[in-house]
Amino acid sequence: DAKTTQPPSMDCAEGRAANLPCNHSTISGNEYVYWYRQIHSQGPQYIIHGLKNNETNEMASLIITEDRKSSTLILPHATLRDTAVYYCIVRVVDTGRRALTFGSGTRLQVQP
Amino acid sequence: NAGVTQTPKFQVLKTGQSMTLQCAQDMNHEYMSWYRQDPGMGLRLIHYSVGAGITDQGEVPNGYNVSRSTTEDFPLRLLSAAPSQTSVYFCASSYLRATYEQYFGPGTRLTVT
Repeated sequence: DAKTTQPPSMDCAEGRAANLPCNHSTISGNEYVYWYRQIHSQGPQYIIHGLKNNETNEMASLIITEDRKSSTLILPHATLRDTAVYYCIVRVVDTGRRALTFGSGTRLQVQP
Repeated sequence: NAGVTQTPKFQVLKTGQSMTLQCAQDMNHEYMSWYRQDPGMGLRLIHYSVGAGITDQGEVPNGYNVSRSTTEDFPLRLLSAAPSQTSVYFCASSYLRATYEQYFGPGTRLTVT
């Protein structure tokens, strides 16, 4: 699986958009980008994933650059409940072990 | 749906004791897995299962056993607890066709003294 790099922490004002970057410059053609988040003391929660097109669901939007070497997770109107650690994961759709490799992520603090 | 449930929420063991962490899901997911998360670290895969009767090792399997007799349940057994096994344990499940979208339980916080 390709290595990912995320900033260790970010702040965002409540009601504003939170833009969380992820660098995955070694991504290969069959690897997807997945985002999870972990709210304090809870299990991780799947947010969104994509291959090369931008994706949107009820939780967030995912913007992947044309060269696929980086992506941005966008929470359009951050709330205090969005305070969490956000993990960017790159992997093929299916592997023998089907493990999710969580790095250290970005700790997002939404400020009132 | 209750989703993924784990019991107990908290547990303290003495070195050498054994115990079983319980995990159950009611979503008819074929795939189930166990992760551990040490303070300030990411999750590491312990064991996983792709269906009843089928289990395999993950990244850090030593000291743990699993079995999968039903689709719903996937217990994790600590054979002889060690302080190095102090951690938060998460169980997760998903459809086999969509293992990227795993549903996690609330976790079990285990302390081994």
